[in-house]
Formats: sequence, C-alpha cells, structure tokens
Amino acid sequence: EAAVTQSPRSKVAVTGGKVTLSCHQTNNHDYMYWYRQDTGHGLRLIHYSYVADSTEKGDIPDGYKASRPSQENFSLILELASLSQTAVYFCASSAGGETLYFGSGTRLTVL
Amino acid sequence: GDSVTQTEGLVTLTKGLPVMLNCTYQTTYSPFLFWYVQHLNEAPKLLLKSSTDNKRTEHQGFYATLHKSSSSFHLQKSSVQLSDSALYFCALRISGSFNKLTFGAGTRLAVCP
Repeated sequence: EAAVTQSPRSKVAVTGGKVTLSCHQTNNHDYMYWYRQDTGHGLRLIHYSYVADSTEKGDIPDGYKASRPSQENFSLILELASLSQTAVYFCASSAGGETLYFGSGTRLTVL
Repeated sequence: GDSVTQTEGLVTLTKGLPVMLNCTYQTTYSPFLFWYVQHLNEAPKLLLKSSTDNKRTEHQGFYATLHKSSSSFHLQKSSVQLSDSALYFCALRISGSFNKLTFGAGTRLAVCP
C-alpha cells in the first residue's frame, strides 16, 4: 500500500522562528504536494512538485518555501513562522493519475 | 478561477437514514471530480472519483453521479452507519493541472445511534 510519512506529527513553534516539516514517500510517485487544513477552508494547496529539484507554487504559497531534494523527500519550510500559520499540514503523493495518497498530517501550533 | 462549493458544514443524521452531501463546482475546463473522506485524526482517503457525465460511480455503499449540465457531484448513501461519521471533501481536478486538486470546505457528517 502507498506510504507517505510525515514528521514531526506535531510541533509547537515560536513566532519568528524557522520551522521545517518533512515528508517521505515510498510509492515511487513523481508528484508531491503540501496542503494546509483549516476549519471552514478545507484543504488548500501550498506548494507542489512533479520532479526532484523543482517545486511549484500552489494557491497559497506566501510565507512558505518548499524543497524536493529527491523523488522520495519533500519539505515545507516556514522561514519566519507566524500565528496565522497555525494549522494541520498534509503531504501527499501521486503517480500523476487521479488518486492522492496523504500522510497522517502535522499539527503545527505557532505561539 | 476553479472552485468547489459544499453548502453544508455539518450534517447530523440518525443511523439507518439516507444522506446526500452537496457538491457543485465551477470550471471552464474538462472536470474530474473526487470525494475524499477523513475520519477523526486520520489522513484523507479517496472515496469516489468520476469524469464521466451522467454515470453513477459507487464505493463502500456510497455513490455519486457527475452531472456536467448542473456542475454537480453530490455524494449519497441509502443508509448511514455510525462508522460513516467523518469529514467529507469534494475536490476538482482539471486536465493538464499536474494533478492539482481544488478542495471544497468539507462537510462533517455526524451519525447518531
């Protein structure tokens, strides 16, 4: 079965600090995505990648950077964390077909 | 731009009753529609998908029909169970979009004994 692993599962960060969320997939998928989930907004796309060493902006990229050093790994970086970035973050992978396989999520709290 | 609308934030039902969760979309491109389900503290998982107009698709007792004429993809089940309590997302993909999905806000289904 498809496997997407996120770390950490939860994190508390201070305002202005740097946060890195990691995602690892063993599906051999080319496509990887970072979504954030907020109540009332569903899932919103932050960044995505369809090949290693390349990332693309999604619908809400401001305040976030992404890195795809290999096919298996995709990181989301908050250089200067802000209160508004408190949310649950999901990583997902796809073979380029229709189905997205999601990780278990990272609950980020910025204080 | 492309968008997905789910009108109900919360639907509460008694076990055994039928349910319909609404989903409408807007796009000028050829649509591919999905329903994802997220149980408490779990990852979203694919429930249904379709790109064929007027064809019913079914999975795990749930079913939906894509109607391009009304831009709708409502999710239905004839008899809900307690285990169906979850958050349901409708999502839209358009051709050539690197498989990017646009999600609706989600509908929480709460099934009571």
